[in-house]
Amino acid sequence: NAGVMQNPRHLVRRRGQEARLRCSPVKGHSHVYWYRQLPEEGLKFMVYLQKENIIDESGMPKERFSAEFPKEGPSILRIQQVVRGDSAAYFCASSRVAHGTGNQPQHFGDGTRLSIL
Amino acid sequence: AQTVTQSQPEMSVQEAETVTLSCTYDTSESDYYLFWYKQPPSRQMILVIRQEAYKQQNATENRFSVNFQKAAKSFSLKISDSQLGDAAMYFCAYGGSNYKLTFGKGTLLTVNP
Repeated sequence: NAGVMQNPRHLVRRRGQEARLRCSPVKGHSHVYWYRQLPEEGLKFMVYLQKENIIDESGMPKERFSAEFPKEGPSILRIQQVVRGDSAAYFCASSRVAHGTGNQPQHFGDGTRLSIL
Repeated sequence: AQTVTQSQPEMSVQEAETVTLSCTYDTSESDYYLFWYKQPPSRQMILVIRQEAYKQQNATENRFSVNFQKAAKSFSLKISDSQLGDAAMYFCAYGGSNYKLTFGKGTLLTVNP
């Protein structure tokens, strides 16, 4: 029973390049959440998606960042024209139902460590 | 907005001893969940234990237990019989009426042999 799969595990990009982070939720989960963890910090919510819909992107920077969760395939977090400040660990979580907090907790992937040179 | 505060950036414990990690939170909601996550050097996020706010009984999971004080908005984690494998960053998190988990800044736990 595979958990949340994120790839790549590590991603190195030069300033100005694009970064694409992938997340395959737990089988049967249709709700995906992205969080960012800056060094020495806890995780901070970025965006919540259901299949083909963005429900809440209030935690995501308005410029350069976008996310999608298509009908088929993984969820993608895309960062265009990366800058040094984008260096962080990006975690994806999924849940079977909406408002995945308590009884249906969010299951986390192992994260993608993004490093910007 | 909810906030979660972990006032201990670092803690250490001797192997086989007991340690308590502190967490306080602020919310105006009456129904919510609280979580402790463990993040070892591998950077995985592992759910250790969760507590439902409407339950008065403190949650326990083997060597891990919580002391949940709803009126004081306090949610501490007790690790008994500490093992070397318990060494990690521990995050307290709040999950309320929406889907966003709010995390504290973490406590780095060192276990000394």
